Amino acid sequence: SQQGEEDPQALSIQEGENATMNCSYKTSINNLQWYRQNSGRGLVHLILIRSNEREKHSGRLRVTLDTSKKSSSLLITASRAADTASYFCATAVKTSYDKVIFGPGTSLSVIP
Amino acid sequence: NAGVMQNPRHLVRRRGQEARLRCSPMKGHSHVYWYRQLPEEGLKFMVYLQKENIIDESGMPKERFSAEFPKEGPSILRIQQVVRGDSAAYFCASSRDRSIQETQYFGPGTRLLVL
Repeated sequence: SQQGEEDPQALSIQEGENATMNCSYKTSINNLQWYRQNSGRGLVHLILIRSNEREKHSGRLRVTLDTSKKSSSLLITASRAADTASYFCATAVKTSYDKVIFGPGTSLSVIP
Repeated sequence: NAGVMQNPRHLVRRRGQEARLRCSPMKGHSHVYWYRQLPEEGLKFMVYLQKENIIDESGMPKERFSAEFPKEGPSILRIQQVVRGDSAAYFCASSRDRSIQETQYFGPGTRLLVL
């Protein structure tokens, strides 16, 4: 079973709209990261939120973390066609080291 | 400062051949992680190495797969006697130390196709 699971699996919106993706996880984490992957490319780190943080902003990105519900959300405001990509949440699981486990991702399509 | 480099970017092998994937971490990074991504799926952890040591190989298949990160040179992921199911994108990431506070930086990946 997945440690982190994104919801929805796929999302299609019009340019200018906001996009919200959610991530749920099962075990205690040290922190959670969001990554973007353009088709056929590597992963780009977007934002890291620590387990003692509730909200973090970076440009048009806003990430929230609710450790009581074991969930996180990524909000992209005023979306652009260039935001079309897959978005993954990655949780750092408490083991002998901070092991990172990725969810299956949300595929976002922003229609011009 | 060059990022994480992987080569080759694309690799085609016939069933039964060997595949060698190389990863050069970012300068100053001594921790390397390998992940595999099947089409339309997320990344699955394979192995975590520090210079000359395998720290965690719990995600790596027991047979045919091996990884190393020698004192000098890149990290190598080696797949012997490849099968069609090995076709995937293999990503390498590196970090300065093992703490998650240190972000893992990803390479562009090697796309392996087994015919």
